[in-house]
Formats: sequence, structure tokens, C-alpha cells
Amino acid sequence: DQQVKQNSPSLSVQEGRISILNCDYTNSMFDYFLWYKKYPAEGPTFLISISSIKDKNEDGRFTVFLNKSAKHLSLHIVPSQPGDSAVYFCAAMGGGSNYKLTFGKGTLLTVNP
Amino acid sequence: EAGVAQSPRYKIIEKRQSVAFWCNPISGHATLYWYQQILGQGPKLLIQFQNNGVVDDSQLPKDRFSAERLKGVDSTLKIQPAKLEDSAVYLCASRLSGGAVTDTQYFGPGTRLTVL
Repeated sequence: DQQVKQNSPSLSVQEGRISILNCDYTNSMFDYFLWYKKYPAEGPTFLISISSIKDKNEDGRFTVFLNKSAKHLSLHIVPSQPGDSAVYFCAAMGGGSNYKLTFGKGTLLTVNP
Repeated sequence: EAGVAQSPRYKIIEKRQSVAFWCNPISGHATLYWYQQILGQGPKLLIQFQNNGVVDDSQLPKDRFSAERLKGVDSTLKIQPAKLEDSAVYLCASRLSGGAVTDTQYFGPGTRLTVL
């Protein structure tokens, strides 16, 4: 039973354009959401997060949007750069879970020069 | 600040053999996690320590997997005996405390295990 779903295994965009990565969740107890970025042969690194009391959080080129009613969040990268090419994981926590993260399967983003 | 250290980076064993992984978290981080990431999947939590106590080991296959965090600093994860389906990357992560939701989990580079 996958509680965090990333339905697009891969995404390819042109440098300078917008990248939009999507994530859906099923557990209504989740109240904090994170995006991690992973390069090959490295561990995931934290990118950006959002609390369920907000609907948007922005950090430079990265913006995360949360739609609680739809149980959906998205990560926007504008403008996309070749160095953004990586696997992006959506993760969620909440419901008294001792800050345990539940991850999606990830989306491989390729930004073409 | 040094990151989370893991060793070895790669390990190849035959099924039914034993293997151990080591993790040294960021200094001062009270919470330590072990994750299993199978190819094409996201990381799955195996066990969570707060200092040297176990907080969550609900997804740890306890018939073959064991973990310890003596003295509340570094940790080892052991598999005995290994099965083919244990082939995965084993990630260690640490977090400053259990008290703030905004405390970030920092991941090590992982150990890639191949069971033949």
C-alpha cells in the first residue's frame, strides 16, 4: 500500500524551461511534506519542504505547492538547469509518526542543454 | 561540518552469507535512521534510533536483520543470512533531534549490497 505516489518515473525538459514534478498522497494524517534530490552514487539531499498549514513555499528557483483537498503536491523548478538532472523524491511525515518519512518512488528529471 | 559517513560503499556477497554495514552520523545528532532502497523504489525505513534506544523497528525483518547503536553515536546494521531480495542500497541518515518537525534528515552516501 503506497501512501506516497509519484506516478511519473521520468521527466525531460529543456534548459531554461519549467520542470513540474508531481506527488500524490493517501494518508490524511500526513502534515509535513518534503522533496529530496538524489544524484547517482550519493545519498538524497533535502531540497524544500512545506507544512500542511501552507499552500506554497518558495526557495530561489524551487517552489512547492500543496493542495490538501486533492492530497497533491508539486515541485516547480524555474528555470531548469542541467545541474538539476537527478532523481527527485517526494516524502511525507505526520500523525505522531516520530518524524518518520514515507517516500515515493522518485522521478528522474533530465534537463537537456 | 562532516556529513554522515557510511562504509563500505559497495559489498558483494553470496546468499546465506552475513554482512554488516557501519554508519557514523553527524556529530551531535541524536536520531539515526537506517533505510533500504531497492532499485526503482524510494527509501524504506528499517529502523530508527533516538540516542541508543530503538524508536521504530516495525519494518525491520527481525529474523535476519539486526541493528545497534551502542553509546548513542555510530551504528551497525547486520544481515544474517542474506537473501537475494536483500540486494539494495542501505542508507543511513541522522537528524539533530526528535523535537522539531523542521529538523532535516541528512543522508549518507549509502552502501550498495549485491547478493548473488
